[in-house]
Amino acid sequence: GENVEQHPSTLSVQEGDSAVIKCTYSDSASNYFPWYKQELGKGPQLIIDIRSNVGEKKDQRIAVTLNKTAKHFSLHITETQPEDSAVYFCAASPGAGGTSYGKLTFGQGTILTVHP
Amino acid sequence: GAVVSQHPSWVICKSGTSVKIECRSLDFQATTMFWYRQFPKQSLMLMATSNEGSKATYEQGVEKDKFLINHASLTLSTLTVTSAHPEDSSFYICSARMDSNQPQHFGDGTRLSIL
Repeated sequence: GENVEQHPSTLSVQEGDSAVIKCTYSDSASNYFPWYKQELGKGPQLIIDIRSNVGEKKDQRIAVTLNKTAKHFSLHITETQPEDSAVYFCAASPGAGGTSYGKLTFGQGTILTVHP
Repeated sequence: GAVVSQHPSWVICKSGTSVKIECRSLDFQATTMFWYRQFPKQSLMLMATSNEGSKATYEQGVEKDKFLINHASLTLSTLTVTSAHPEDSSFYICSARMDSNQPQHFGDGTRLSIL
C-alpha cells in the first residue's frame, strides 16, 4: 500500500517568514495530493490540493509543488501569520481516473508555530 | 457548502459500554463516508470505508465486530464502538464525499474517553 512520509514534525517560524513542509510518497499510482490544516480539537480542513498532471498550484499565500518523478510534494506558506499556527497534514491518493478521488493516506503531520 | 457534522463532539463513558457516533452530511448527499481514528499527536488512520446501502470495508487490523458501521442513508453514517475499553480512547473523525469525483469533507471529530 501507499506510504507517505512528512517532514519536519515541528516547524517554528517568525511572523512574516516562509514555511515549507515536505512529503514523499511510495505508490506511483497516486495522483491526487491534498494538504490539510487541523486546529486543536477540530477535523482537518482542506487548504490546497494538486493533481499529478500539474507541477505547481498557488492560492494566495499558499502554494504546492509536485515532483512526480521523485515522488515528493511540498507545501509553501509565505508571509506567515500567527493564525497559520496549526498541524498540517499531507496526503496521497490514487484515482481510478483523471478526476476521481481514491482512499487517502496521510503523512505524520507537522506542527507549525508562527511567533508574532 | 459541503458541511459534515459529527455528534457527539465529546463523550466519556465507563469501560464495557457501547458508544455510537453519528456523522451527517448537512448540505449534500454522501454516497461514501470514511471513518478515521487519530491518537494524540499522531496522524489520521483510516478505519473503514462505508458506501450507502452496503457493508463497510474495513482496513487491515480493524475489528469489524468491535467497530460497527452503518450507512443507512445518503446523509448519515454511524460508528458504534462496542464494549469499549480504555485503549479505544481516541479522536474519531468521519469524512464524506458526494461521489468519486468529489473530494472528502471532514467533520470536526468526536473525542472518546473510556474510563
